[in-house]
Amino acid sequence: DAKTTQPNSMESNEEEPVHLPCNHSTISGTDYIHWYRQLPSQGPEYVIHGLTSNVNNRMASLAIAEDRKSSTLILHRATLRDAAVYYCILRDLSGAGSYQLTFGKGTKLSVIP
Amino acid sequence: DVKVTQSSRYLVKRTGEKVFLECVQDMDHENMFWYRQDPGLGLRLIYFSYDVKMKEKGDIPEGYSVSREKKERFSLILESASTNQTSMYLCASSLYIRGNTIYFGEGSWLTVV
Repeated sequence: DAKTTQPNSMESNEEEPVHLPCNHSTISGTDYIHWYRQLPSQGPEYVIHGLTSNVNNRMASLAIAEDRKSSTLILHRATLRDAAVYYCILRDLSGAGSYQLTFGKGTKLSVIP
Repeated sequence: DVKVTQSSRYLVKRTGEKVFLECVQDMDHENMFWYRQDPGLGLRLIYFSYDVKMKEKGDIPEGYSVSREKKERFSLILESASTNQTSMYLCASSLYIRGNTIYFGEGSWLTVV
């Protein structure tokens, strides 16, 4: 799976929007962009994924650049429960990718009351 | 929502003991995984299974075995626990072996003394 780059940490005030960036300049045409988050002492939790178009679900929105070399996870109103490490990974649905899941270091989001 | 349930959240075992970690998923997924997560090392794949009674070694299978007698259940066995197996163990499942969303359990914190 291709590599992604994220900032190590970010801070947000409670109830404000948060934009978490991810760069993936070597993305291939069959790579889906997935976001997971891991709360303290919990297993990773699926957040959202997309291929080309922007995506929305009850947890977040995913904005994908036109050239697909970057994406942004948007939490519309951060709450204290959103404090977690957020991982951006690429998953190849064509069958050529690895079953191994490489999370990298992710972005540690702190939410300030 | 997909539910992956790990039987024990916290365990303390003695060196040399046989340890069983149980995992059940409720979404009829073909594929199940066992990972361990250690600080600075990320997620490492121990074993995975793509069907009942089928298993494949991951990156770090030594000292572990697995059992999948039913589709919904995947067990990790530490034949003779050692202190270097102290870790957080994560069970996961997915519909497809590659590229697809992976759903994780809450994790099992194992301490071997």
